[in-house]
Amino acid sequence: AQTVTQSQPEMSVQEAETVTLSCTYDTSENNYYLFWYKQPPSRQMILVIRQEAYKQQNATENRFSVNFQKAAKSFSLKISDSQLGDTAMYFCAFNDNTDKLIFGTGTRLQVFP
Amino acid sequence: DAGVTQSPTHLIKTRGQQVTLRCSPKSGHDTVSWYQQALGQGPQFIFQYYEEEERQRGNFPDRFSGHQFPNYSSELNVNALLLGDSALYLCASSSGLAGSIGELFFGEGSRLTVL
Repeated sequence: AQTVTQSQPEMSVQEAETVTLSCTYDTSENNYYLFWYKQPPSRQMILVIRQEAYKQQNATENRFSVNFQKAAKSFSLKISDSQLGDTAMYFCAFNDNTDKLIFGTGTRLQVFP
Repeated sequence: DAGVTQSPTHLIKTRGQQVTLRCSPKSGHDTVSWYQQALGQGPQFIFQYYEEEERQRGNFPDRFSGHQFPNYSSELNVNALLLGDSALYLCASSSGLAGSIGELFFGEGSRLTVL
């Protein structure tokens, strides 16, 4: 069974600095998708970034980028120029072309001034 | 453009009761998925509805059932509530089949407390 592990329950970063959130996963599939979702205190889950496993190039979305290491089954999220609005729970998620996402347990990120 | 809306936002039930949660998908979406998020945990997939049928189901007992209506809205029903059913229930909508994997739009959830 596929699993997603986030080993950092909490992280903190100063505004304007860079922070990296870690995620590892386990699967025997070759084609799959990986995601980072953000859940602010409002509870609404928002897609941050998405990576297709068949693409070697790491995905980027403005200040957000990933380091996808397929052989190591690692998928970390880097947030550059952190902003106060980045404070939230961040979930790593996996999809193997089925209809469901498998989420990790999340990392609580606090950005302080 | 209305996003995913869920109701109620909060509710309290007692053990053994039944609950119905409702979800309206984002405009243009025809697929609805339900997730359970226990406190301090990531969301867990309950099931997904497409064309008014349950397409896939996660590891949840039959006490959890659902329905999708012709207008694509959906309900989640939980019977014989247990204390462990206390959680945030998230509805997510998407469009079509392949090609939209992971492009889920989530509602703000319904917080269920079972006493």
